[in-house]
Amino acid sequence: GAVVSQHPSRVICKSGTSVKIECRSLDFQATTMFWYRQFPKQSLMLMATSNEGSKATYEQGVEKDKFLINHASLTLSTLTVTSAHPEDSSFYICSASTPLAGDTDTQYFGPGTRLTVL
Amino acid sequence: GDSVTQMEGPVTLSEEAFLTINCTYTATGYPSLFWYVQYPGEGLQLLLKATKADDKGSNKGFEATYRKETTSFHLEKGSVQVSDSAVYFCALDSGTYKYIFGTGTRLKVLA
Repeated sequence: GAVVSQHPSRVICKSGTSVKIECRSLDFQATTMFWYRQFPKQSLMLMATSNEGSKATYEQGVEKDKFLINHASLTLSTLTVTSAHPEDSSFYICSASTPLAGDTDTQYFGPGTRLTVL
Repeated sequence: GDSVTQMEGPVTLSEEAFLTINCTYTATGYPSLFWYVQYPGEGLQLLLKATKADDKGSNKGFEATYRKETTSFHLEKGSVQVSDSAVYFCALDSGTYKYIFGTGTRLKVLA
């Protein structure tokens, strides 16, 4: 149980285009989803926290107009990188948690999406 | 603010060697503590967790004990295998449901 999927696993796009990444909780309802960014050989940096049906909360220094997050249902959150540039190339990982269940503080991570902007 | 400090890697061991990866934390209150493992090109998988002092988390031969007095949550395994080669992350949650991650420790096990 507690499986989180991401799509696509890899994407290459041209500079200036927008890219959408989907994060789905497959076998549980995720009241909260998190989006992280990971640079090569580094730790995860939390970008934003999204709760179903409300606006995402962005961490300091993350541009909300560039990284659009939508959490439209209890099983789906999307991250759209708008007007992508080469410096946006990174590994993006989502996670989901469900404080409604007994395991209130565990996050379950997706497999990640490798974004390369040319 | 809250923080997690992990030992720097890479850690290189021979198969069947004993593993310890140190993790210490600073936090207000009583955080939950986690170890996650990341295999190359993949996301993070929960390895084990502990939610209160003296709790021991264990999974797949790995263990970690929540030590409040030393603010530590060191990861141990008695006999590592080549398949354990990965990056290991220590993390805490202070009750905000947001994780603070350590920098990760890369483990390489040689046959």
